[in-house]
Amino acid sequence: DQQVKQNSPSLSVQEGRISILNCDYTNSMFDYFLWYKKYPAEGPTFLISISSIKDKNEDGRFTVFLNKSAKHLSLHIVPSQPGDSAVYFCAASEAGAGSYQLTFGKGTKLSVIP
Amino acid sequence: DAGVTQSPTHLIKTRGQQVTLRCSPKSGHDTVSWYQQALGQGPQFIFQYYEEEERQRGNFPDRFSGHQFPNYSSELNVNALLLGDSALYLCASSLGISPEKLFFGSGTQLSVL
Repeated sequence: DQQVKQNSPSLSVQEGRISILNCDYTNSMFDYFLWYKKYPAEGPTFLISISSIKDKNEDGRFTVFLNKSAKHLSLHIVPSQPGDSAVYFCAASEAGAGSYQLTFGKGTKLSVIP
Repeated sequence: DAGVTQSPTHLIKTRGQQVTLRCSPKSGHDTVSWYQQALGQGPQFIFQYYEEEERQRGNFPDRFSGHQFPNYSSELNVNALLLGDSALYLCASSLGISPEKLFFGSGTQLSVL
C-alpha cells in the first residue's frame, strides 16, 4: 500500500513556464514533507521541505504548498529552466512521533524543453 | 569537502551469495540511513544507524543487517541474496536523526543473477 503517491510519472514544460509537481499521501500521521531531485547516476538531492504547521514554504524559484485537509502537496518551479530536468521525489515522515524514516513516492520525471 | 561516498558503484552477485556495501558519511555527519531503490520505484527505507546502533528499521527481513563504526562509516550486509534484491542501494547521512536535509550518495547498483 503506497502511502505517498506521485500519480504523474512524467511532465514536460517549456522553459520559462511554471512546473507543478503533485504528491498525495494517505498516512495522516505524516507531519514533515520533503522534495528531492535526482539526476541520472547521482543520489537524490534535497530541494525543499515543509512542516505540517505551515501551508507554504518558498526558496528562490521553488515553492511547496501543503493542503493537509486534502492530504496533498505540490512543488512549483518558476521559471522552469533546462537544468531542472530531473526526477523529483516527494517524501514524508512522522517526525513528531520520533520516526525519521522517509517514505518516498515513485517520482515524477520533469523535462524542461528549451 | 567530500560528500557521501559509497563503494562499490556496481556489483554482480548470484542467488544465495552474501554481499557487503560500504558508506562513508559526509564530513561532520554522525547518522547513516540506508535505502533500497528498485527500478521504477522510489527509495525504500531499510534502517538507520546512530551512535553505532540501529535506531529505526523499515519493513525488510533479517537477511538485511548493518553496522556503524566509531568513525560513523557504515556497512550494509545482505545474506542469501534473492533475484528481487537487485536494486540501487542508497546511503544517506545527516547530523542527528532528523530527516531534514539528508545527503545521499550516488548508490551501489546491485544485480543478482
